[in-house]
Amino acid sequence: EDQVTQSPEALRLQEGESSSLNCSYTVSGLRGLFWYRQDPGKGPEFLFTLYSAGEEKEKERLKATLTKKESFLHITAPKPEDSATYLCAVDTGRRALTFGSGTRLQVQP
Amino acid sequence: GAVVSQHPSRVICKSGTSVKIECRSLDFQATTMFWYRQFPKQSLMLMATSNEGSKATYEQGVEKDKFLINHASLTLSTLTVTSAHPEDSSFYICSASPGEGYTFGSGTRLTVV
Repeated sequence: EDQVTQSPEALRLQEGESSSLNCSYTVSGLRGLFWYRQDPGKGPEFLFTLYSAGEEKEKERLKATLTKKESFLHITAPKPEDSATYLCAVDTGRRALTFGSGTRLQVQP
Repeated sequence: GAVVSQHPSRVICKSGTSVKIECRSLDFQATTMFWYRQFPKQSLMLMATSNEGSKATYEQGVEKDKFLINHASLTLSTLTVTSAHPEDSSFYICSASPGEGYTFGSGTRLTVV
């Protein structure tokens, strides 16, 4: 059974305090790993897709990396507007994503 | 980019009534759409896969007679919660793939009173 585990469950940072979110996965065959941002009462907003170990992608203060067992979402010098829940999901060819439970990030000014 | 439009964003209904949620792909065709359910502080759980022109595929434990799915065109899928009860109150989200990746609707907050 495919499993996606995210840690920590919640994270509180001061503005400018860099950190990393973790997503570990156990799947039968990874076709892609996705990172989404979700604001309260909204649907997930796409951030990144990673396809193979060693791949990295960046967008503004966010950088996603992938290994054969896990993915990291690095947040550099976060701002209060980065506060959200960050979701990791895997595509194994079932044509639907399997999601982790998310990391709730709060960035305080 | 590809947009999935979901309506309504919020709905309150009385126990025992039915509620319909619409999911539209605005600038691409979607032969398959996905319906998820999300409880507070929990992640998205796949409920069913909607297939244009054929029956939906439901995940284990999801009652197909309670959650009716219709995918009558390449741009529209609907989820009807029949005989809704308070335990059906949740956040429902649809998704489709425009070719690469998956795009999500803005979600529907259903409250059954």
